[in-house]
Amino acid sequence: GAVVSQHPSWVICKSGTSVKIECRSLDFQATTMFWYRQFPKQSLMLMATSNEGSKATYEQGVEKDKFLINHASLTLSTLTVTSAHPEDSSFYICSASYQGMGGYTFGSGTRLTVV
Amino acid sequence: ELKVEQNPLFLSMQEGKNYTIYCNYSTTSDRLYWYRQDPGKSLESLFVLLSNGAVKQEGRLMASLDTKARLSTLHITAAVHDLSATYFCAPDPRGGSEKLVFGKGTKLTVNP
Repeated sequence: GAVVSQHPSWVICKSGTSVKIECRSLDFQATTMFWYRQFPKQSLMLMATSNEGSKATYEQGVEKDKFLINHASLTLSTLTVTSAHPEDSSFYICSASYQGMGGYTFGSGTRLTVV
Repeated sequence: ELKVEQNPLFLSMQEGKNYTIYCNYSTTSDRLYWYRQDPGKSLESLFVLLSNGAVKQEGRLMASLDTKARLSTLHITAAVHDLSATYFCAPDPRGGSEKLVFGKGTKLTVNP
């Protein structure tokens, strides 16, 4: 139980275009989802916390106009990287807390490469 | 602000040997999680430690939590190559409702 499905697994896009990443909770309702970014050989850094039906809370230094997060339902949260640039190339991972499990479950991650 | 310190950051060990990874954190937390990450993959949950004194074992890995010392350990027994990965700890002061802060990770390489 407590599975989060993340798509796409990898994406290559041109500079200046936008990319949308989806995370769906398959067998539970995710009131809160977390979006992380991981650069090579580094730890996970939280970008933002999204709550169903309300605006996301962004961490300091994360541009909310560039990384648009939508959490319109209890089972779907999306991250859109707008006007992507090569420096946005990274591994993006979503996560949701699951009270019944006493922990957090993570999506499979999205490798974004901006060329 | 919660700070999480893992050590060592890099660990190269031979098969068959034992070793311990340490995770210290700065804020009182009754819960702590350990994750494994393989190259190019997301996080895989290893252990969920929910109280002081909690000890959990899975195969060659054993994790423990001392909330008073703000310390968790991940002990590796008789390492095998398949354990090569990066291991992250994350304390959870709020009990599963807020963001996690991860340690920098310990990259474990088990050599034949």
